[in-house]
Amino acid sequence: DIVLTQSPGTLSLSPGDRVTLSCRASQRVDSLYLAWYQQKPGQSPRLLISATSTRATGVPDRFSGSGSGTDFTLTISRLEPEDFAVYYCQQYGNSPRYSFGQGTKLEIK
Amino acid sequence: EVQLVESGGGLVKPGGSLRLSCAASGFKFDTYSMNWFRQTPGRGLDWVSSITWTGDKAYYAESVRGRFTNYRDNAKNSLYLQMNSLRAEDTAIYYCARLINGYQDHWGQGILVTVSS
Repeated sequence: DIVLTQSPGTLSLSPGDRVTLSCRASQRVDSLYLAWYQQKPGQSPRLLISATSTRATGVPDRFSGSGSGTDFTLTISRLEPEDFAVYYCQQYGNSPRYSFGQGTKLEIK
Repeated sequence: EVQLVESGGGLVKPGGSLRLSCAASGFKFDTYSMNWFRQTPGRGLDWVSSITWTGDKAYYAESVRGRFTNYRDNAKNSLYLQMNSLRAEDTAIYYCARLINGYQDHWGQGILVTVSS
């Protein structure tokens, strides 16, 4: 089974900061099938990035994704107040069909 | 506007059954595969089941295989998850989501299922 490990678990940051979130896979992940989601309290996940680096419709360009193989990152170039949330990476594969990282929580310092 | 609305959740005793529904609108439902996911504070986000756009094939996580059935009625733009032999560990918020190329571009608001005596 492919296990996704996100780090760090929690980050305390200020608006305007730049942040890079990490997602490491236990096995190689096809770059076409690595996505990132944002989830705010009481809401469902929102797609941010698909295929490692493609922003979803309406996602600001301060969000960017990169990586390959087993190491992937989500970068937010300049944090806005609405960006404080939990971020999940997700892979699609064969075993299990879909799996998520445990999430990284961005909180306001 | 794409909308997915889950219903049918609630409190059920261990061993009981529940059927979740997901009403889709704003897109051509019968051309998309769909997924069910669930989320708990302890286990995070877990995939439950996928179904093809025709409904001819469904896939299940090991933890629910044999107990849950994922099916759809394209004429009614609706997706269903029949959950039998429910266990305490099935307690979660359940989401339906539209599938595109291995990721989910739209999610429902979620519905709470609580399995407890």
